[in-house]
Amino acid sequence: DGGITQSPKYLFRKEGQNVTLSCEQNLNHDAMYWYRQDPGQGLRLIYYSQIVNDFQKGDIAEGYSVSREKKESFPLTVTSAQKNPTAFYLCASRPTGEWNEQFFGPGTRLTVL
Amino acid sequence: AQTVTQSQPEMSVQEAETVTLSCTYDTSESNYYLFWYKQPPSRQMILVIRQEAYKQQNATENRFSVNFQKAAKSFSLKISDSQLGDTAMYFCAFMKLSFVQGAQKLVFGQGTRLTINP
Repeated sequence: DGGITQSPKYLFRKEGQNVTLSCEQNLNHDAMYWYRQDPGQGLRLIYYSQIVNDFQKGDIAEGYSVSREKKESFPLTVTSAQKNPTAFYLCASRPTGEWNEQFFGPGTRLTVL
Repeated sequence: AQTVTQSQPEMSVQEAETVTLSCTYDTSESNYYLFWYKQPPSRQMILVIRQEAYKQQNATENRFSVNFQKAAKSFSLKISDSQLGDTAMYFCAFMKLSFVQGAQKLVFGQGTRLTINP
């Protein structure tokens, strides 16, 4: 089945540790996105990538890093510099086209202990 | 920068009733798209309906319809004959048109938690 997968579903880390969230899509979409969701707030854009080997900062990129070495994959690393990393993280992808919607993965819940 | 505001943090209606969720946005752009996404308890984001700003006709998808008022920058969602499965967080989102693919980012409102009661 075509879709977007995120793993793991739940992730726990200790303060001061870096952690990488996985996002894979087999939809052949060019653009991919990472969002953060906090209680009582909408989704906020962390990073996005239009094409392989290219990515741009979103609104809240500080403390995060990404890579886009393959079209199918867009991993997000939450670094120790991120002051408040506990949140729900959503990955999305989008096919080429003027108005095409973004398709979302199931999300990863990150908890810092 | 664009902003999206949903002024109703929570709403609750009885099954089969009609409910309207409000959304306003602020932009200086003339060409853009507006979306309503649904996030059920599973937390999977699902597109409900989309409206192109250049279209005067309001979008409809089965029981879901919008009231798009471009001059007022208002984009409300109406759910008719509400069902228990409509219980979810609903997010309004804005996307400006760009010729740069992938640069077409979504800006989300804070969400409205809708509960459909039996």
